[in-house]
Amino acid sequence: SQQGEEDPQALSIQEGENATMNCSYKTSINNLQWYRQNSGRGLVHLILIRSNEREKHSGRLRVTLDTSKKSSSLLITASRAADTASYFCATSGKEKNTGNQFYFGTGTSLTVIP
Amino acid sequence: KAGVTQTPRYLIKTRGQQVTLSCSPISGHRSVSWYQQTPGQGLQFLFEYFSETQRNKGNFPGRFSGRQFSNSRSEMNVSTLELGDSALYLCASSLAPGVTYEQYFGPGTRLTVT
Repeated sequence: SQQGEEDPQALSIQEGENATMNCSYKTSINNLQWYRQNSGRGLVHLILIRSNEREKHSGRLRVTLDTSKKSSSLLITASRAADTASYFCATSGKEKNTGNQFYFGTGTSLTVIP
Repeated sequence: KAGVTQTPRYLIKTRGQQVTLSCSPISGHRSVSWYQQTPGQGLQFLFEYFSETQRNKGNFPGRFSGRQFSNSRSEMNVSTLELGDSALYLCASSLAPGVTYEQYFGPGTRLTVT
């Protein structure tokens, strides 16, 4: 299975602090995406990083990708209470003609305390 | 631009019944994917449709089926419901199949099987 694993499973921080989540996966990928999910609701796309990229920024988000270690990290700087959510990484493999098959990780539950 | 819509949002069914869930993609999006999310198994890929054809299928029994209409709207059906089918069912749309495209998720349908 290509399913990724996020680490830690749960993270609790004070507002204003930085939050770092890690994702590890098992096989070669085309790209890796990070999503946020508020309790019991749909997923919101945060950022996509391609396999030939090492780092990407979007606002307070910074994503790194290390294909040699098959891992990625998501850094949220200056966290806010509204960042409280579950964060998932999703990988897409290099299989031909497999369409939009994404493999989601197990998720990190982030709680930001005001 | 309206987002992905899913109907109904909540559903309670009895074991042995069948259920049909609906997904309307973002206007212009032609690829629709379905996912099942449970606390134990996380997010798992069900299937993906493009141009009314199933392009890819996850590892689910034949009780799970789907289809896509010419306007790109999609339905998924689960027959002979089991307790373990209780889950949040998420639909995602993208411009086209292919793992380089960003997926936009709907709010999900919460199915409870009693």
